[in-house]
Amino acid sequence: EIVMTQSPATLSVSPGERATLSCGASQNVGNNLAWYQQKPGQAPRLLIYGASTRAAGIPARFSGSGSGTEFTLTISSLQSEDFVVYYCQQYNKWPPESTFGQGTKLEIK
Amino acid sequence: EVQLVQSGAEVKKPGESLKISCKGSGYGFGSYWIAWVRQMPGKGLESMGIIYPGDSDIRYNPSFQGQVTISADKSISTAYLQWSSLKASDTAMYFCARITGSRYVGYGNDFWGQGTLVTVSS
Repeated sequence: EIVMTQSPATLSVSPGERATLSCGASQNVGNNLAWYQQKPGQAPRLLIYGASTRAAGIPARFSGSGSGTEFTLTISSLQSEDFVVYYCQQYNKWPPESTFGQGTKLEIK
Repeated sequence: EVQLVQSGAEVKKPGESLKISCKGSGYGFGSYWIAWVRQMPGKGLESMGIIYPGDSDIRYNPSFQGQVTISADKSISTAYLQWSSLKASDTAMYFCARITGSRYVGYGNDFWGQGTLVTVSS
């Protein structure tokens, strides 16, 4: 089973600054990596798939990069609504089973 | 508009059975995998298993194999997650989510249900 490790567990950044969240895979997952945002009391929302492709309706300040075992989610110019929890997920293309990281909480510095 | 609407919150006693549902609309329900995801209180997301409603191909995460049963009824565009004997440790929010892609390729979960809170307490 592939293990996904996110770091840090909590990230403190000031509004307007850039946040960089990391996600590592225990083995090569190619570019089969997605990022999700979860606000309190809500279902997760897909931000990025294919490691770097923004999902429909996602603002351009969200970007993803990486391949293989190391991935990054960058949020430029943080806005107040961005200070929530983010998860990475590796997925097999077929069968489309998946594993989530443990999450990174983005908090206001 | 693609929507997944889940059944309402449940409060059960240990040992009771339960079946929760996830009804899809706005797309060909039989043509996309559906995933079930658990979120225990204050914790992260865990993939439980997936089902392709078109032919009921089911894959369980090994951690959940034997603990739950996933099924679907394509004729009414509904997927199910059920327990035969609940435990207190099953207390969690359960989400269903569509897997974007097709029968033979997936790219993550693009649409999610609102979640069903299951509370198991004596």
